[in-house]
Amino acid sequence: QSVLTQPPSVSAAPGQKVTISCSGSTSNIEKNFVSWYQKLPRTAPKLLIYDNDKRPSGIPDRFSGSNSGATATLGITGLQTGDEADYYCGTWDTSLGFWVFGGGTKLTVL
Amino acid sequence: QLQLQESGPGLVKPSETLSLTCSVSGDSIRSPSYYWAWIRQPPGKGLEWIGLMYYSGSSYYYKPSLKSRVTISVDTSRNYFSLRLTSVTAADTAVYYCARQRAGSRYYMDVWGEGTTVTVSS
Repeated sequence: QSVLTQPPSVSAAPGQKVTISCSGSTSNIEKNFVSWYQKLPRTAPKLLIYDNDKRPSGIPDRFSGSNSGATATLGITGLQTGDEADYYCGTWDTSLGFWVFGGGTKLTVL
Repeated sequence: QLQLQESGPGLVKPSETLSLTCSVSGDSIRSPSYYWAWIRQPPGKGLEWIGLMYYSGSSYYYKPSLKSRVTISVDTSRNYFSLRLTSVTAADTAVYYCARQRAGSRYYMDVWGEGTTVTVSS
């Protein structure tokens, strides 16, 4: 099992909104910055959100990040078929002493 | 614009050593703001962080379950960094990515290589 828990899959219709949760603990999400990555098949992961809620240049504002306690959330609005991908959260775990990824969530745009 | 490119053998025999190189172009590997990291994704599985190293070698971290077999090194004269994984098994078959990982307790990975597939098989 991953230190960070994500739902295995989520789905929504085009144009709708979806959220993906990432549950951790006081030693990781509550203490350190969370980032989110989009992983399309046969391509490298792409940074979507860093420092919990910041978007790199070029990432549309349809993507957002937030934290509440030991849970981080990725939000995607105005879903497009091109958003179908696997999404991973990640953060440093202070107790374990290394970086951890969530198990990943497969987004299906119906 | 920073670019990373992995290279190395695509096939490694069981019990042998996997060696990969990540060439850094567009910026110096001596950046004080970043670590240099390796991540992998086994077939059908999620991303697994392997470890990171600062350009000077003064700071490095490895995933504990891999620590006894992993070495990451940085060559500042040639602007590349490397991964060495010893005693490989089929479980080490994966796409291996190199990435730049932010320092200063932020740790996000903002630039990635395209990945290289490594298969462990006799």
